[in-house]
Amino acid sequence: IAGITQAPTSQILAAGRRMTLRCTQDMRHNAMYWYRQDLGLGLRLIHYSNTAGTTGKGEVPDGYSVSRANTDDFPLTLASAVPSQTSVYFCASSDSGRSDTQYFGPGTRLTVL
Amino acid sequence: AQSVTQLDSQVPVFEEAPVELRCNYSSSVSVYLFWYVQYPNQGLQLLLKYLSGSTLVKGINGFEAEFNKSQTSFHLRKPSVHISDTAEYFCAVQTGANNLFFGTGTRLTVIP
Repeated sequence: IAGITQAPTSQILAAGRRMTLRCTQDMRHNAMYWYRQDLGLGLRLIHYSNTAGTTGKGEVPDGYSVSRANTDDFPLTLASAVPSQTSVYFCASSDSGRSDTQYFGPGTRLTVL
Repeated sequence: AQSVTQLDSQVPVFEEAPVELRCNYSSSVSVYLFWYVQYPNQGLQLLLKYLSGSTLVKGINGFEAEFNKSQTSFHLRKPSVHISDTAEYFCAVQTGANNLFFGTGTRLTVIP
């Protein structure tokens, strides 16, 4: 069982380009999340999805979009990347509910120049 | 609004010594509390969580944490650290299904 996989592992991107970060889980979890991790700021929630077909905005959603066509996949898209989106991005999933543990992927390191 | 404060950004400690990583939170509603650990170049994994009941929670790798409602704290402790405990530790509070707020992290460095 792989858990959560993310692709790519790292990426360097020119400003203004479109980029999709992929996330796939094989645990059949209902809820999925995208976080960004920045030095000194910890992790901040970008978008979430409680179940396939639904999405919601987190703390820092601007410049990002998500979709949840099925249970397993939760891609994050940067429509027009900017340097401030340079960060490490983590995808996570949980079974459902308020007290459930979130399981994290290995992360994608994105650099926008 | 809720917030999480990890008072120490870095904690160096000698091998086999005890350690305490501090976490304080503020929230106007009841919360669930978590500690996650991040080893170098990896994602986060759960150490322990407090949902209800006993205020002393035991987690993996010999770590434990105590929920103190009056002081709004959830400090993480280990009586004897190992080199392998070197990592970044994050405290987090959850007030709703999609509201998991992380602290800024504490980097624990175990010195041989």
